[in-house]
Amino acid sequence: AQSVAQPEDQVNVAEGNPLTVKCTYSVSGNPYLFWYVQYPNRGLQFLLKYITGDNLVKGSYGFEAEFNKSQTSFHLKKPSALVSDSALYFCAVRSNSGGYQKVTFGTGTKLQVIP
Amino acid sequence: NAGVTQTPKFQVLKTGQSMTLQCAQDMNHEYMSWYRQDPGMGLRLIHYSVGAGITDQGEVPNGYNVSRSTTEDFPLRLLSAAPSQTSVYFCASSLGRTAFYNSPLHFGNGTRLTVT
Repeated sequence: AQSVAQPEDQVNVAEGNPLTVKCTYSVSGNPYLFWYVQYPNRGLQFLLKYITGDNLVKGSYGFEAEFNKSQTSFHLKKPSALVSDSALYFCAVRSNSGGYQKVTFGTGTKLQVIP
Repeated sequence: NAGVTQTPKFQVLKTGQSMTLQCAQDMNHEYMSWYRQDPGMGLRLIHYSVGAGITDQGEVPNGYNVSRSTTEDFPLRLLSAAPSQTSVYFCASSLGRTAFYNSPLHFGNGTRLTVT
C-alpha cells in the first residue's frame, strides 16, 4: 500500500521569509509525486510534480520541491513567502506498482503567511 | 474551457434520502475519480474509473455507487444518506493509461453535502 505523511498541520512564516512544507511518502515501485494547493471553497490546483530526473523541480508561483530518495521525502519550498501563498497544501503520490491507478493524498498542511 | 464541472455546489439531505452528485469533464480524460474531504483526514478516494464502462473501489466506497457510461460523465450516487456522509466531495480527472503516472489531476470546485 502507498501512503503520504504531512507531519505539520500548520506552518506559520513571516512574509519575505523562506518556507518549507514537509512531505514523506511510502510506495512500492517508482514514486510519482505531486503538490497541490487549495484556496478556500475551491478544488485543488496542481503546483508541481516529480517524475524522474533532477531532484529539484520547479513549479507554479515560484514554488519548488526537492526529491530525496534516501529519505523518501518531497518537501515543498519557496525562497520568499507572500501573504497570497496562504492556503492549504497537499502532497500526493502515485505508484506504478501493482498495476492499479490510485492517487494517495496526505492530510494537508495549512500555510499561514504573516504580513 | 470548462474543465471539471460539479453540480450541485451545496446540498442538504435528510437521513435515508438518496441523491446523485454530477461530474462532467470536457478534456477527454480517461481517468476520473471521486474524493471526500474531511477535516484532519485529507482527501480519501471513494471510487475511480479508468475509462467508460470501467469502475473500481477506492478507500471508502461503502454507501456510494458510480457508473461511467460516457467518457465525459462520472456521477456519484448516495443510496441512503447518513450523517457520516456529511463532507465536501470532489471530482477529479486526468489522462489515463501510461500517461496517468505523470499527469496531474484536474479538480472540480466541490459539492458541500450536509446530512441531517
